[in-house]
Amino acid sequence: EAQVTQNPRYLITVTGKKLTVTCSQNMNHEYMSWYRQDPGLGLRQIYYSMNVEVTDKGDVPEGYKVSRKEKRNFPLILESPSPNQTSLYFCASTPLTGADYGYTFGSGTRLTVV
Amino acid sequence: LAKTTQPISMDSYEGQEVNITCSHNNIATNDYITWYQQFPSQGPRFIIQGYKTKVTNEVASLFIPADRKSSTLSLPRVSLSDTAVYYCLVGVPIKAAGNKLTFGGGTRVLVKP
Repeated sequence: EAQVTQNPRYLITVTGKKLTVTCSQNMNHEYMSWYRQDPGLGLRQIYYSMNVEVTDKGDVPEGYKVSRKEKRNFPLILESPSPNQTSLYFCASTPLTGADYGYTFGSGTRLTVV
Repeated sequence: LAKTTQPISMDSYEGQEVNITCSHNNIATNDYITWYQQFPSQGPRFIIQGYKTKVTNEVASLFIPADRKSSTLSLPRVSLSDTAVYYCLVGVPIKAAGNKLTFGGGTRVLVKP
């Protein structure tokens, strides 16, 4: 089944403890992106990647890092999480060639930083 | 990126047609209009995309007037499972320029029995 898989689904951590949220897609999509969703603010893009080894900042990149060493994986790294990073995170991907069917989103990761 | 304005919420009943209008007065020549659906605690799901006139698929129809300053998503004969938030996005498709799409607040549609 074509999908974007995020792990973990839920995570509670403490301030300052480094964490990684993994994202993997099995559709050979070139473009991948991370969003966070907060009440009243909609979805905001954190980082995106056009292809392997190519990443760029979105609207709210502060406090986050990403890497794209392989086409299928796009992990989101929080080096020193803070409570204001408590949010619902979504990974998404889309092909850059062929028909346009928009983004495919993962099921989300609900992160709580205490 | 063109800013979009859509109603915050709408109520409907099972079997009715739901029409959600999105305003995008500053839409650019190369911009497309895309709609997504999001259920609670799930990622958004692509519904439909169009550039002008009318587009229809198995889920919805998208009506775009000639001036393209607005668009209407039409959901025929909704059911309880159509209760979700619907997002209108305007922007250059990813594959055209690598540009991102910006999600606004969306329209919360509640379908009642």
